[in-house]
Amino acid sequence: LAKTTQPISMDSYEGQEVNITCSHNNIATNDYITWYQQFPSQGPRFIIQGYKTKVTNEVASLFIPADRKSSTLSLPRVSLSDTAVYYCLVKNSGGGADGLTFGKGTHLIIQP
Amino acid sequence: NAGVTQTPKFRVLKTGQSMTLLCAQDMNHEYMYWYRQDPGMGLRLIHYSVGEGTTAKGEVPDGYNVSRLKKQNFLLGLESAAPSQTSVYFCASSVAGGPREQYFGPGTRLTVT
Repeated sequence: LAKTTQPISMDSYEGQEVNITCSHNNIATNDYITWYQQFPSQGPRFIIQGYKTKVTNEVASLFIPADRKSSTLSLPRVSLSDTAVYYCLVKNSGGGADGLTFGKGTHLIIQP
Repeated sequence: NAGVTQTPKFRVLKTGQSMTLLCAQDMNHEYMYWYRQDPGMGLRLIHYSVGEGTTAKGEVPDGYNVSRLKKQNFLLGLESAAPSQTSVYFCASSVAGGPREQYFGPGTRLTVT
């Protein structure tokens, strides 16, 4: 299975905008990209999903370039409570649900 | 509305013992998934189901079996536990398949000694 690649960790400060990029070179042509947030000892929680261009909801934005080989999760004005691990989820081309691949996650640490 | 629940929350097994992990969802979702999460590895798909009575293999199915006899329940079995199966197991469900919005349970922490 092709990999998804994310930075292992990132640091930022309260009130800043944070962008986390996931590379997924072998993504299926007809399916979504989804991002999740996970706190210690909890299951992942859905943040946002998109197919192309830009999607925005009340907590984040998702930017997807035309070739869809990467996606960027944007968190506006982060707070300490945004400290968590963030995962992208895609489906690799040629597979069914068994092609679902989570990235290894980006540990985001927000400082005061 | 409890969402996705998992039983048990913690378990310690000896090598060779068997056990079943239960996942239940009350959202009438068609799709259900079992993942394992190991340090530095992210989440890896073990088995999944696209509806009642169906199951299919994911990325890491060896050593596990599953059953989906009722739409709301998805069971994960370990017939002969091995230390390599020490992990945190998450169940999830979704309305649609593929990388769509999935709802995750709280996880089961399993240790095999």
